[in-house]
Amino acid sequence: GAGVSQSPRYKVAKRGQDVALRCDPISGHVSLFWYQQALGQGPEFLTYFQNEAQLDKSGLPSDRFFAERPEGSVSTLKIQRTQQEDSAVYLCASSLFGVQGEGEQYFGPGTRLTVT
Amino acid sequence: DAKTTQPTSMDCAEGRAANLPCNHSTISGNEYVYWYRQIHSQGPQYIIHGLKNNETNEMASLIITEDRKSSTLILPHATLRDTAVYYCIVRVDSGAGSYQLTFGKGTKLSVIP
Repeated sequence: GAGVSQSPRYKVAKRGQDVALRCDPISGHVSLFWYQQALGQGPEFLTYFQNEAQLDKSGLPSDRFFAERPEGSVSTLKIQRTQQEDSAVYLCASSLFGVQGEGEQYFGPGTRLTVT
Repeated sequence: DAKTTQPTSMDCAEGRAANLPCNHSTISGNEYVYWYRQIHSQGPQYIIHGLKNNETNEMASLIITEDRKSSTLILPHATLRDTAVYYCIVRVDSGAGSYQLTFGKGTKLSVIP
């Protein structure tokens, strides 16, 4: 079946604009994660959903970042009033099980956000 | 949180085994070790994971020391397509039904023809 997909693949925003990044996880996957990857660094955790519940948002860098997964499938990461330091690749991952499982996370290709 | 330490980079000749080390000296007894890799401009790809015992799958083998303070990922016959950044990760269950993977900077493996 299809893997994790993300759209758009590339996004250029002017400083101060709002952006919305979409993630379509693998069908039936319970867990969904968002990560931020700066150039030359490893991915850093942003937030975690189990179905529609956002159980951990400890990695969100500021209150300008907001994520939702209203029906427990598709998720959207929204960044308000973008700043240059928000420029990064935003990765989405899904996993079949919740915290009780050992299952691997399947990653999408990422959205490269450039704030000018 | 358990942290991992990996060499910044390694080279391996094509067709030879690639052995990638990782130190995780502060790992707790119920924390899993995961390995992922990331090929340029792609999302990370799962390779293997383990708790205490050595593990093997179609991609690699994972050797975990008895004290669990270090592990080695083995790619038995490296190919050019294995050139990537390899991340050793200790999965942390952060409570309230959530967990995280903390990636670090990984090891840049270059497979040389």
